[in-house]
Amino acid sequence: GEDVEQSLFLSVREGDSSVINCTYTDSSSTYLYWYKQEPGAGLQLLTYIFSNMDMKQDQRLTVLLNKKDKHLSLRIADTQTGDSAIYFCAEKQDFQKLVFGTGTRLLVSP
Amino acid sequence: EAGVAQSPRYKIIEKRQSVAFWCNPISGHATLYWYQQILGQGPKLLIQFQNNGVVDDSQLPKDRFSAERLKGVDSTLKIQPAKLEDSAVYLCASSSAEYNEQFFGPGTRLTVL
Repeated sequence: GEDVEQSLFLSVREGDSSVINCTYTDSSSTYLYWYKQEPGAGLQLLTYIFSNMDMKQDQRLTVLLNKKDKHLSLRIADTQTGDSAIYFCAEKQDFQKLVFGTGTRLLVSP
Repeated sequence: EAGVAQSPRYKIIEKRQSVAFWCNPISGHATLYWYQQILGQGPKLLIQFQNNGVVDDSQLPKDRFSAERLKGVDSTLKIQPAKLEDSAVYLCASSSAEYNEQFFGPGTRLTVL
């Protein structure tokens, strides 16, 4: 398909792990990103992975990349209420252009 | 280091009126981007500048939208005339060749009545 796809909503309890999934479109994309957006705010880059990597870990964040299936996931360990936000995956295409997914709203309940 | 600045933060206009948004990128960033984010969707690239030249404006509705970056620093995005469907958040971002990251401003929320 043409769109970068994400599930719309995820609800977890504080302390659990969250896994947000993304299916991207362009197998030649060089970098794949995860951004966080809080209400009324711009986009904050959380992490990114180069396309020749399978996994990247950064503190509580783990990114997994399956190039064969064009599938990207973001795992947040020990999820906190402050992690509640919308999470966007994005792929870098030609000329540094970013194509964003539809966003996954993560709700963390105490 | 100062981030990407945008103004105004909010704007309400009536359809068929004109509106302009301003963006000042991070100092030294050669590439500047304007994105449109409609409620419930991810950002969509409208136009990308490299210094003061346009790299990609394939998704810019050129009959009503225009953008410029005359001196290769700050940029303005204009809509004339606005339509109801232009209601969105307009995000500006900048990047440098050194870093593999786009830095985003807080956005301008436009409401067209």
